[in-house]
Amino acid sequence: GESVGLHLPTLSVQEGDNSIINCAYSNSASDYFIWYKQESGKGPQFIIDIRSNMDKRQGQRVTVLLNKTVKHLSLQIAATQPGDSAVYFCAEISMGSGTYKYIFGTGTRLKVLA
Amino acid sequence: SAVISQKPSRDICQRGTSLTIQCQVDSQVTMMFWYRQQPGQSLTLIATANQGSEATYESGFVIDKFPISRPNLTFSTLTVSNLSPEDSSIYLCSAPWGAGTEAFFGQGTRLTVV
Repeated sequence: GESVGLHLPTLSVQEGDNSIINCAYSNSASDYFIWYKQESGKGPQFIIDIRSNMDKRQGQRVTVLLNKTVKHLSLQIAATQPGDSAVYFCAEISMGSGTYKYIFGTGTRLKVLA
Repeated sequence: SAVISQKPSRDICQRGTSLTIQCQVDSQVTMMFWYRQQPGQSLTLIATANQGSEATYESGFVIDKFPISRPNLTFSTLTVSNLSPEDSSIYLCSAPWGAGTEAFFGQGTRLTVV
C-alpha cells in the first residue's frame, strides 16, 4: 500500500549546526508534501509544504527539498536551536473531488545538544 | 489560521466504558479529521468527518467502535466505545485550512484504559 516513511528515527545535532531530516514516500501521485513538528504533549504544527511540481522551497531557517526521481523528501533546519528539539513528521496529501487525505510518515526525533 | 480546542486533554477510563472527545474550531471548516497516535509513533487516520454526511472511515476502523458526530462546521466529537487497554493512545482532531495543505491540530487527548 501507499506509505510514507523515514530513514532515521533519531537525529542528534549540536546547537548551531544544520539538521537534515529525511523522508521516503511511495505515492508519486501525491499533490503536496508537508513537514510537521510535534513537541511533547502537543499536536503537530505545520512547518512548511511543497507542491509536487516543485523541487525546493525555503522558509524561515527551513528548506524542504523534493526529489521525485527517487521519491525522497528532506527538511533542512539551519542553525539548529534547542527549541527545535521535537519529533518531525513528513506527510503527503492527495487531493481529489474537494477532499484531502493526509498520510503521515513514521517520524524522526530531533535532539539538539547544547 | 485556526485554533482547535480539544477536550478532555487526558482521561483514565475503565474497560467496557466509552469516552467522547470534543473538538471545537474557532472558524468554519469543511473537513475535520480524527487521528490516533500511539506514544512515540506516527499518526494514523481514523476517519474524515464532513458536516451533514456520514464520516468516512479508514481501513481497520469502524463506526460502531468510533462513532463520530459533526453537527456543524465548527464542532465534532469522536467516541471510543467499549474501551479495552488496546485503545490506550493519544487521539487528535485536525482540520485543513485555506488551500488545505496546512492542517491545524488540537492538542490531543491522552486516553488510558485500565
